[in-house]
Order: sequence, then C-alpha cells, then structure tokens
Amino acid sequence: GAGVSQSPSNKVTEKGKDVELRCDPISGHTALYWYRQSLGQGLEFLIYFQGNSAPDKSGLPSDRFSAERTGGSVSTLTIQRTQQEDSAVYLCASRKYTRPRYEQYFGPGTRLTVT
Amino acid sequence: DAKTTQPPSMDCAEGRAANLPCNHSTISGNEYVYWYRQIHSQGPQYIIHGLKNNETNEMASLIITEDRKSSTLILPHATLRDTAVYYCIVRVGSNDYKLSFGAGTTVTVRA
Repeated sequence: GAGVSQSPSNKVTEKGKDVELRCDPISGHTALYWYRQSLGQGLEFLIYFQGNSAPDKSGLPSDRFSAERTGGSVSTLTIQRTQQEDSAVYLCASRKYTRPRYEQYFGPGTRLTVT
Repeated sequence: DAKTTQPPSMDCAEGRAANLPCNHSTISGNEYVYWYRQIHSQGPQYIIHGLKNNETNEMASLIITEDRKSSTLILPHATLRDTAVYYCIVRVGSNDYKLSFGAGTTVTVRA
C-alpha cells in the first residue's frame, strides 16, 4: 500500500522567508511525528500528534517552528523567517496505534536548504 | 533511555550473513531494543525489536544476550540493497515514543 509521502522533496529558500512542508501519513495511522536530520547528525524529534489530543511540541527548537494536522490526516510543518541553521532533512513518520509493538513508518523527507 | 554503543562501520560480502553488534550495558528491565536502518537519501526504516527473547521477522533476526547487556542484529543473506546506516536504540516501550538516533553502524555490502 501507499507509504508516507512528503512534499516537496527538495526546497531551497532564502534566509528570512517562510516555508511550508507537507506530510501525508499512511491512511488510518493515528499518530504522526516530525523529525529533522542535519548533515552528519542523528535524528532530532520536533513534534508529535496523536488523534485529537494536544500535540507534543517539546522538540520544536524555537517559536519560528509550528505544525498543524488537519482532520487527523495531512500535516504541515511551517518554519517562519528561516535561518541557515534550519537547513536539514525534515522527516515525517506515522504510526498506526500508540502501543509498543506498532512501529513508525517514515517518509522520504524534505531536504531544506536555506541560502 | 539507556545509551547504546555500536561500531562505526563494517563491511560484509554479498550473500553472507551480516552480524551487527550493539552494547547496552545500562539497559533497564522495561526497555526494549529496537533496530532501524537508513538507506542513503531515504527515511529511516524499522527492522525489528525485542525485549528479552530472540526475535525473527522477514528482514532480520535479533539475538539478545541473557543479561540483556548486548544484542546482535543478523541479516541472514546480505544484499547490495542492505547497504545502509543501522541504528540500535534502547528505550521504554511507551505509547508515544519519540525516536532519537546516534551515529549508528555504516554497513557496506560488497559484491
């Protein structure tokens, strides 16, 4: 079946501009995660959505970052006034149920380059 | 979450078994061992996880020592497509776990 999809696959933007990154999770998956991965770095958690609960925003690095998930499906990560340190691959993952044996499935990521 | 230690890299011959070690000497009783991998330019991919018993699925086998201080991921017949960075993670099997990866092991499968 269809996996997690993300768009765009690549985004180049100028410093100071706003960007929106989109994630389409696997249909029926209740949990959705955003991560980022900088060059040569590990995976960094950003935000987590579970059903209708308030999102866990504990990983967002600054108030320039925000995310929403409409209708319990598609999610958008918005970065305002982008900075060069925001350059990274932004990964989205979805999970069917929030029980230990259900794993996260990742999309291919959006490579963001801030010039 | 307990810290894990993996070798930075290893090579494997195509068609042979690849045995990837992971040390997690500070693991606690309610922590699971998870393995993910990341092929170049792709998102991470779940492989397998376990608590105490050895586990096997269509991708790999996971062998956990009796004291649970270390484990080995076995790819039984490595192919060129198994070339990737492999991450061993130890964490509580909570409902809303958030993944974090360290450096992992870069596995290169050679023809």
